[in-house]
Amino acid sequence: AQTVTQSQPEMSVQEAETVTLSCTYDTSENNYYLFWYKQPPSRQMILVIRQEAYKQQNATENRFSVNFQKAAKSFSLKISDSQLGDTAMYFCAFMFSGNTPLVFGKGTRLSVIA
Amino acid sequence: ETGVTQSPTHLIKTRGQQVTLRCSSQSGHNTVSWYQQALGQGPQFIFQYYREEENGRGNFPPRFSGLQFPNYSSELNVNALELDDSALYLCASSPFNRAWANYGYTFGSGTRLTVV
Repeated sequence: AQTVTQSQPEMSVQEAETVTLSCTYDTSENNYYLFWYKQPPSRQMILVIRQEAYKQQNATENRFSVNFQKAAKSFSLKISDSQLGDTAMYFCAFMFSGNTPLVFGKGTRLSVIA
Repeated sequence: ETGVTQSPTHLIKTRGQQVTLRCSSQSGHNTVSWYQQALGQGPQFIFQYYREEENGRGNFPPRFSGLQFPNYSSELNVNALELDDSALYLCASSPFNRAWANYGYTFGSGTRLTVV
């Protein structure tokens, strides 16, 4: 069974600074997808960024980028120029093919401080 | 384009009662998945519906059941409620085709269920 581990229950960062959230996963599959989701107080899970395992190039979405290390089974999220609106729970998630269930980590609570 | 809507937003039930939660999928999405998110935890997969049939199930007992309707909306039913069923229940919709890779899952804002 696939597992996802987020070892940082809480983190904080100053506004405009950079922060990195860690995620490791365990799978025997070779082809899969990895995601970072943001869950603000509104509770809706919002997709931040996705990475296909067969792509060696790290995904980027504006201020968000990932460091995908397939051999190490590591998938960290870097948030640059942090904004107050980035304050939320962040979940790392794994999926081994399209439309199969997402497996989530326990989340990291990120606070951006003015 | 409407997103995923869930109702009600909050619900309080007594142990032993039954509850029905509702989800309307995003326009163009024909697959609906349900997740349970206990306090301080990540969401756990309950089951998925496609073409009105269950298309995968997580480690949840049979008292958790569901339906999908021809318009792709869905219900989650929980019988004989237990205190541990208190959680945020999230619905997610997706297109069951290759377009999934471009769109992924769209989540609703959830129903907060409290069992007392």
